[in-house]
Amino acid sequence: NAGVMQNPRHLVRRRGQEARLRCSPMKGHSHVYWYRQLPEEGLKFMVYLQKENIIDESGMPKERFSAEFPKEGPSILRIQQVVRGDSAAYFCASSGLTANTEAFFGQGTRLTVV
Amino acid sequence: SQQGEEDPQALSIQEGENATMNCSYKTSINNLQWYRQNSGRGLVHLILIRSNEREKHSGRLRVTLDTSKKSSSLLITASRAADTASYFCAFNAGNMLTFGGGTRLMVKP
Repeated sequence: NAGVMQNPRHLVRRRGQEARLRCSPMKGHSHVYWYRQLPEEGLKFMVYLQKENIIDESGMPKERFSAEFPKEGPSILRIQQVVRGDSAAYFCASSGLTANTEAFFGQGTRLTVV
Repeated sequence: SQQGEEDPQALSIQEGENATMNCSYKTSINNLQWYRQNSGRGLVHLILIRSNEREKHSGRLRVTLDTSKKSSSLLITASRAADTASYFCAFNAGNMLTFGGGTRLMVKP
C-alpha cells in the first residue's frame, strides 16, 4: 500500500507563472488536507477536501489559490500568478473514514519562485 | 490563534538522555497526534492519543494528555542520534488538523 504520493518533489516557477501540485492519497482514504510550511516553522492548514467537495478552505488565500479533489485522479493545489512569497513546502495529508483518525503525510512539494 | 504551542522550541541533549517536549492547545479536541519531521522531509506519524486517554506508549515514546490543562507531552527515552528531528503536535479541532510550532531536537552522539 503506497503512502501519500506528492509530485513533483521540487518545482521552480518564475513570478507570474502557475504552479500545480498533485497529491494522491493513500488507498482507501477519502479525506485530503493541504498544508504550507515556511522554513523553520510549523505547518499552516490551507484546505480540507473530500471527493469532489471542498469542506473547509479557511486557511487558503482567497485569490490565486484553488484546490480540487475530483472523483477520479489526484487532488490538485493550484497557485496562479505565483509570487516570491509563495515559496514554501506544500504538504498533503490523507486520512481514512473520518477526519478524526491518523493523518498520513506525503513528502511534500518544495516550490521555489524565482 | 488556534495553533498549538510547543515548548521548548529547541532542545539539545546527549545520546542516552531522555527528551521531553510539551504541547498546549486552546480548544476542545477529539484527539492529539505527534509527528516527526527530519530536515527537508515529510512528516512521519508517531502516535495518536484520544481525548479519553491519559497515557500511551509506543516503543521508546511515551505520550500523556491532560485535557483539563489542555496539554500533552512527548517523552523519548534513551535518545539516539537518529532521533534528531523536529517534533510537532497536532490536534483535531473541527475539520482541520492544527499544528504546533514544533520542537527542534538535537541528540549529540
